[in-house]
Amino acid sequence: DIQMTQSPSSLSASVGDRVTITCQASQDISNYLNWYQQKPGKAPKLLIYDASNLETGVPSRFSGSGSGTDFTFTISSLQPEDIATYYCQQYDNLPTWTFGQGTKVEIK
Amino acid sequence: EVQLVQSGAEVKKPGESLKISCKGSGYSFTSYWIGWVRQMPGKGLEWMGIIYPGDSDTRYSPSFQGQVTISADKSISTAYLQWSSLKASDTAMYYCVRRRNYYDSSGYKPYFDYWGQGTLVTVSS
Repeated sequence: DIQMTQSPSSLSASVGDRVTITCQASQDISNYLNWYQQKPGKAPKLLIYDASNLETGVPSRFSGSGSGTDFTFTISSLQPEDIATYYCQQYDNLPTWTFGQGTKVEIK
Repeated sequence: EVQLVQSGAEVKKPGESLKISCKGSGYSFTSYWIGWVRQMPGKGLEWMGIIYPGDSDTRYSPSFQGQVTISADKSISTAYLQWSSLKASDTAMYYCVRRRNYYDSSGYKPYFDYWGQGTLVTVSS
């Protein structure tokens, strides 16, 4: 099974800060990596698919990069409405989808 | 507008059976896989399984194989998740999701583009 290690598990940053979350796969997953945002009490929402493609309607301050085993999710300028938990998700051909453990983002 | 609307919250006792639903609208229900994702209280997301309503082809996560049954009724654009004998450890929020594929030169890249609002299942004696 492919394991996903997401870090950090939580972070606190100021409005306007650049925020970076990483996700590492236990083996090469090419670009089969997506990112989701879950606000408190809400269903998750797709932000990034195929490692770096921004879903329609998602603000451009969100971005993703990486390939193979190492991936990065960035919020270029943190806004109060970005308070949420963020999850990476990988896919393999079994098929199986595996989520990272999540990163809780808070405002300092 | 694409929507996945799930059935309401349930409170059950251990050993009881349960079937929750997810109704799709605003798109061709038989053309997209529908999956289920579990979120236990205060925890992360776990993929449970997925069904193609067009032909009822179903795949399960090894962690959930034999524990739940996924089905669909394409005549009413509805997918289901059911348990024959609930346990306290089944207490969780359950989300249905629509799978969409992104295609590039290396093939298709699936992701979950729409999520239901969630169904909270509480199992307690």
